Amino acid sequence: NAGVTQTPKFRVLKTGQSMTLLCAQDMNHEYMYWYRQDPGMGLRLIHYSVGEGTTAKGEVPDGYNVSRLKKQNFLLGLESAAPSQTSVYFCASRPQGANYGYTFGSGTRLTVV
Amino acid sequence: DAKTTQPPSMDCAEGRAANLPCNHSTISGNEYVYWYRQIHSQGPQYIIHGLKNNETNEMASLIITEDRKSSTLILPHATLRDTAVYYCIVSADRGGGFKTIFGAGTRLFVKA
Repeated sequence: NAGVTQTPKFRVLKTGQSMTLLCAQDMNHEYMYWYRQDPGMGLRLIHYSVGEGTTAKGEVPDGYNVSRLKKQNFLLGLESAAPSQTSVYFCASRPQGANYGYTFGSGTRLTVV
Repeated sequence: DAKTTQPPSMDCAEGRAANLPCNHSTISGNEYVYWYRQIHSQGPQYIIHGLKNNETNEMASLIITEDRKSSTLILPHATLRDTAVYYCIVSADRGGGFKTIFGAGTRLFVKA
């Protein structure tokens, strides 16, 4: 039981390049989330999904797109990377219902130069 | 989701109890109180949650006041490995959309 797995763990992009971050969970969780964390700050919600085939915007969605074609996977895409997107990205999942906490991945450290 | 207020930092001596406060005066009746922590650059780790009763697990205890406007996370015997940022979150599952916004949290320093 791996929990929440994020790939890649590290990446350096040039401004304008595109990439996709993959989040996979093997716990059959309904809800999945993408957060970003900038130095010295808390986590800010980018996008989330409450089920396969559904996505919704969070607090800071601009510059990102997401897809949830399979229940276990939640993809975060950057179409044209900008230096402002340099951050650590965390994926999380949880079962439906308020009586559960999140399970987080170990993060992807992205640098855009 | 209700807003929470936490002190930016706290110190605790190793082996002593660490008591981390959180104010959530606008909490609604169906909102839970959750606590997470983040050690260095790792992903946040779930600690405990509660609705109105006090809760205890192998990691910590959660004390919620009777009016639910504040709560305290208690680490009974803090160790150096408990040095982390602790987040208090108040939220409810509204069926069609559940999201949590993590603020700055409390940075707990456990000292030898």
